[in-house]
Amino acid sequence: DTAVSQTPKYLVTQMGNDKSIKCEQNLGHDTMYWYKQDSKKFLKIMFSYNNKELIINETVPNRFSPKSPDKAHLNLHINSLELGDSAVYFCASSQDRSYTFGSGTRLTVV
Amino acid sequence: LAKTTQPISMDSYEGQEVNITCSHNNIATNDYITWYQQFPSQGPRFIIQGYKTKVTNEVASLFIPADRKSSTLSLPRVSLSDTAVYYCLVGDTTGRRALTFGSGTRLQVQP
Repeated sequence: DTAVSQTPKYLVTQMGNDKSIKCEQNLGHDTMYWYKQDSKKFLKIMFSYNNKELIINETVPNRFSPKSPDKAHLNLHINSLELGDSAVYFCASSQDRSYTFGSGTRLTVV
Repeated sequence: LAKTTQPISMDSYEGQEVNITCSHNNIATNDYITWYQQFPSQGPRFIIQGYKTKVTNEVASLFIPADRKSSTLSLPRVSLSDTAVYYCLVGDTTGRRALTFGSGTRLQVQP
């Protein structure tokens, strides 16, 4: 069983579209995150949720909106996609001090 | 947030021991030191974590001096499959500050 699963794995879309990336964890962790890894391979935190409550919201455009229907799911919705949004998006969950990451969603905006 | 500094890249040969050192001069009392490994097209994977002195698990050892301003990840007898990017992170235990990734160290293992 995959501990942290993201769908889709690849997403190619046109500028201006709205898209969602889904994330689910079956580890029973309380905290979930979205990270963005750009072409230079830097991993940057975007959002953090603890038990469905938003606790970290880094400086990201408000076109990005996380949604957590329950503590096992943290979805990322992106409105009006731009070329600069192309990146790999990683979902992660944590309990105590270690993180488990998903395999990533490669978003390409054309 | 404690900033980390580590070499951009390292090269090694199969069977050698590899030591990657990370500097974290502003580490706080509550902060733990954690190392992650990332292969291309995969998410980072937890390797090892420690607070002070030495920690060892089945894949690596982590050496932390008394002042905790640096740490060294030691990979014994590396193989080609250890070629990856290794990240040193410093973070607290409350979960209210997400881990911040630096640029990592790209380890290339040659046959």
